[in-house]
Amino acid sequence: DAGVIQSPRHEVTEMGQEVTLRCKPISGHDYLFWYRQTMMRGLELLIYFNNNVPIDDSGMPEDRFSAKMPNASFSTLKIQPSEPRDSAVYFCASSLGLAGVYNEQFFGPGTRLTVL
Amino acid sequence: GENVEQHPSTLSVQEGDSAVIKCTYSDSASNYFPWYKQELGKRPQLIIDIRSNVGEKKDQRIAVTLNKTAKHFSLHITETQPEDSAVYFCARGYGNKLVFGAGTILRVKS
Repeated sequence: DAGVIQSPRHEVTEMGQEVTLRCKPISGHDYLFWYRQTMMRGLELLIYFNNNVPIDDSGMPEDRFSAKMPNASFSTLKIQPSEPRDSAVYFCASSLGLAGVYNEQFFGPGTRLTVL
Repeated sequence: GENVEQHPSTLSVQEGDSAVIKCTYSDSASNYFPWYKQELGKRPQLIIDIRSNVGEKKDQRIAVTLNKTAKHFSLHITETQPEDSAVYFCARGYGNKLVFGAGTILRVKS
């Protein structure tokens, strides 16, 4: 398996533009997580899905952020409109079974987002 | 609460010395405590984990200890090498998710 795949790896956009980040989890994994990493806030959980259903989106910072998982092999995180403070590295991760109970989370390579 | 406190935030050691990173938490809801290593520009990767029914686990030069009574767990790296330089994150399982500490930047000087 190629592991968790994310695209794009780098994104530079201007304030106000829509940004879409994509993730393909490891085949067979039933949990998918979106994280944001910054120097100030560390690794923050934004939202996670179980069997394509959003379970907890309490970490999504504002209504400008939305996430979908239309099928077991694809998820998107969308920011509309983007702002400079959204600049961060966004990681997608997946796990087989409950991540909080002994199951390893596998991270993707991340998308480095810069909003000018 | 669900948070986990991690200390120190930065740690600098001489090659060959040991490094210890400690994490604490406040409630008793967790039974799983993994540690992730993130090299510069790379993704976090699991290096070792421990379950609540075990007090210590070792894998070559790294070990993790857990004290559930005191609600703290620690990562120990012996005989440090330059390639151990990275950011280390502790985490605790909390329901269906992991809650991560703020991270420790470890620098191994050669």
